[in-house]
Amino acid sequence: DAGITQSPRHKVTETGTPVTLRCHQTENHRYMYWYRQDPGHGLRLIHYSYGVKDTDKGEVSDGYSVSRSKTEDFLLTLESATSSQTSVYFCATQGRMNTGELFFGEGSRLTVL
Amino acid sequence: AQSVTQLGSHVSVSEGALVLLRCNYSSSVPPYLFWYVQYPNQGLQLLLKYTSAATLVKGINGFEAEFKKSETSFHLTKPSAHMSDAAEYFCAVRASGGSNYKLTFGKGTLLTVNP
Repeated sequence: DAGITQSPRHKVTETGTPVTLRCHQTENHRYMYWYRQDPGHGLRLIHYSYGVKDTDKGEVSDGYSVSRSKTEDFLLTLESATSSQTSVYFCATQGRMNTGELFFGEGSRLTVL
Repeated sequence: AQSVTQLGSHVSVSEGALVLLRCNYSSSVPPYLFWYVQYPNQGLQLLLKYTSAATLVKGINGFEAEFKKSETSFHLTKPSAHMSDAAEYFCAVRASGGSNYKLTFGKGTLLTVNP
């Protein structure tokens, strides 16, 4: 258990509003990831971070930005939410062992009306 | 670049029957391979992983998977299904070595276990 907490767990918002999802970890893991999960698409990587202030894009990064000012926090921001961003968002961290295992949070369900 | 294909978005078995979930991968370098399980309204948990050691990998809850390079496959099996195995299963791949720690996931297979 990597002690990953996502907030909020559920959010309903309207098109055009900004939304920020927070991921907090207590294991001092260097790598952190944001994925979205949609039926028929599995998990797709949005952005990831390989250290404080070091981030990079994943395969579905359009419309999303991230920030990591502290090791333990990784924020995902939707500047202007759209209905296509309705999804379940998962944060994950990479453990210290270099075997690629990811530890996942419980997910944040976002509905954009 | 790497990718994963999971054959069958939905598999249904009877309790006590063999479970076989199929995964084929594509990778330009030797891969690390993973199976994750997701129970309803939860995050993903690691079932097992292949990291270039033994090709037959045993995981939690009686699951195992065999890495077959010639077939580019990493199928997940369990000899006897239990009702508690009902969940969604994801195969994932990443390149071994280097600093690329990104996992690429398949689209998932929903396992239903019938009494």
